[in-house]
Amino acid sequence: QVQLQESGPGLVKPSETLSVNCTVSGGTIRSYYWSWFRQPPGKGLEYIGYVYHSGSTNYNPSLQSRVSISIDTSRTQFSLNVRAVTAADTAVYYCARQKFSYGYLLDYWGQGALVTVSS
Amino acid sequence: DIQMTQSPSSVSASAGDRVTITCRASQDINDWLAWYQQKPGKGPKLMIFAVSRLQQGVPSRFSGSGSGTDFTLTISSLQPEDFATYFCQQAHSFPLTFGGGTKVEIK
Repeated sequence: QVQLQESGPGLVKPSETLSVNCTVSGGTIRSYYWSWFRQPPGKGLEYIGYVYHSGSTNYNPSLQSRVSISIDTSRTQFSLNVRAVTAADTAVYYCARQKFSYGYLLDYWGQGALVTVSS
Repeated sequence: DIQMTQSPSSVSASAGDRVTITCRASQDINDWLAWYQQKPGKGPKLMIFAVSRLQQGVPSRFSGSGSGTDFTLTISSLQPEDFATYFCQQAHSFPLTFGGGTKVEIK
């Protein structure tokens, strides 16, 4: 059974960089796309971007100038960085496995990591 | 971006009730529409894809219908474990977008 687990700092100061990692277990990290989403308190889900096992990426244009996603296949881990954060970046950050089958689907998700931006 | 409009935002129902949730896309998404269930403190769970195809392990009381821009999720007989929030997602193009969610609460 594929499992994903986020790990993050919990608290980040404004203007700093937010970093969250996702560790994949129970399955291969190759041949899939690995995605990040976030959900501000009481709000809906927002797509951040994905990284393919080859390292190619796609980002939401609304966040593209501040985000980067990378992958370490040897450690079956992928990571999200968000630069110059503000309170608006406070959210639960989720990682998910993405596949193309009748469209772009997210078939496995982590439990999420709450990151609060505050001084 | 494709906008996804979901309604209602919440519904109160009893076990055994039939519940229907609707989702509208701002443009034709070629029937690439998915539904997710989310429980508190958990990540979303894929329930239905391609409008009406059930993900493996999802009970048959869940069904999906629709085409083009208008879609529906139906739970035919609500069970205690179905009380959760449900989101629709357009799987057609990037950036992927979601409906605002429908919270199914116990009446």
